[in-house]
Amino acid sequence: GEEVAQTPKHLVRGEGQKAKLYCAPIKGHSYVFWYQQVLKNEFKFLISFQNENVFDETGMPKERFSAKCLPNSPCSLEIQATKLEDSAVYFCASSQAPGTEAFFGQGTRLTVV
Amino acid sequence: AQSVSQHNHHVILSEAASLELGCNYSYGGTVNLFWYVQYPGQHLQLLLKYFSGDPLVKGIKGFEAEFIKSKFSFNLRKPSVQWSDTAEYFCATNSGAGSYQLTFGKGTKLSVIP
Repeated sequence: GEEVAQTPKHLVRGEGQKAKLYCAPIKGHSYVFWYQQVLKNEFKFLISFQNENVFDETGMPKERFSAKCLPNSPCSLEIQATKLEDSAVYFCASSQAPGTEAFFGQGTRLTVV
Repeated sequence: AQSVSQHNHHVILSEAASLELGCNYSYGGTVNLFWYVQYPGQHLQLLLKYFSGDPLVKGIKGFEAEFIKSKFSFNLRKPSVQWSDTAEYFCATNSGAGSYQLTFGKGTKLSVIP
């Protein structure tokens, strides 16, 4: 498709529950990035993929966060045992090549209660 | 690690006023620079980008930015703002990150009063 598609738009989870977010990058884009936007403003880089391979995961909290990009499937970001501080908007972005313009999806607003 | 600084947290302007939002970056090498806009409740949209060449970059909706290497700056400008420009503006770079993720500034909220 011509836009980055993220689902769901909103997700509410009780503390300790699992949350799974999905992202379909623009067709032909090899790079996928996940960002967490907290406090309405600050963007934190989580992880990037080159096709199905993890490119950089230096921003990922090690214990509860995981992500995948499998062939012919949307990419996913999963949070096991959510905590209140995980409440944020999670944005996915894709780009055609390293260093080029990244296109963002609409985001998934995760609320942990 | 590289960083991006946006000096203005909140800017309030009347319609037709001129706009300049400051952005400074820390990376000393070759830079790719971006300005994104986030309208209330929406995702990030690219306003303009600088990779190389003419340091004065024109983007969408009448925005432009000037890359000044000696000042490590990439300020965003618009000669005459409209109420519809009310949004959050983010400066970002993906240079020197090693893996091309964007490093964002903290954003500047622009409120345009009709």
